[in-house]
Amino acid sequence: AQKITQTQPGMFVQEKEAVTLDCTYDTSDPSYGLFWYKQPSSGEMIFLIYQGSYDQQNATEGRYSLNFQKARKSANLVISASQLGDSAMYFCAMRELATGNQFYFGTGTSLTVIP
Amino acid sequence: DSGVTQTPKHLITATGQRVTLRCSPRSGDLSVYWYQQSLDQGLQFLIQYYNGEERAKGNILERFSAQQFPDLHSELNLSSLELGDSALYFCASSVGIGARGNTIYFGEGSWLTVV
Repeated sequence: AQKITQTQPGMFVQEKEAVTLDCTYDTSDPSYGLFWYKQPSSGEMIFLIYQGSYDQQNATEGRYSLNFQKARKSANLVISASQLGDSAMYFCAMRELATGNQFYFGTGTSLTVIP
Repeated sequence: DSGVTQTPKHLITATGQRVTLRCSPRSGDLSVYWYQQSLDQGLQFLIQYYNGEERAKGNILERFSAQQFPDLHSELNLSSLELGDSALYFCASSVGIGARGNTIYFGEGSWLTVV
C-alpha cells in the first residue's frame, strides 16, 4: 500500500485565490510527522511546512497552512492568496518513528497559477 | 538556500562510466539521505547515513554505493552507468534520526545525464 497518496496530478488556480492540495497517508505508527515540499522548475526541493501527529493545532507558515484531519489520515496543504511564483510541483511526505524515520514521498501535484 | 551543498550541479557521461556525486550537509546535521528523482519513478529513497554509519537502505542498485565521511560529507558513487540512471539526484540532511519533528532539507540536486 502507498504510504502517501496525492490524487491530483495537476491543479490550476487563479492568482490571489486559495487552493487546496490533497494528501492522504497510511500508517499504524502513532508517532509520525507530515511535511510538504515545493519543487519549482529549477529543481530544488524547498521545505514548506510540518505537522506532528500529536500536534493539536493545524500548522501554519505564512500563506501555507496544513489541514490535518487525523481520523481521516489526511494532511492537505492550503495555499492562500496564490502568487505566480507558487507554480511548482508540491510533494507531501511522511516520516514514521517506527521505521527508523524514513521519509515517504507522494507522487506530487503540479500547481499552475493563472494570472 | 537550504545549507545543503551538492556538486556537481550538472553531469553528462557515457554509458558504462562511473561518477561520484558529493554532498555537504547543513552545519550540525548528522544524518544524510540520498534520493533519485526520475520522470517515471518519482522520488525514490536510496540510502541514509547517520554520523558515518549506514542507517537505512531503500531502492539502491548494487551498482550504486555511498558513504559518509568523518567530516560528515557524503558521496554517492554510481558505476556501470545505464541510460536509465539519468535522473536528478538529491542529497538531504537532518539533525538526527530520533526527533519527531526532524525535517530534512534538500540540496539543489545533481542532474545526471547518461548518453
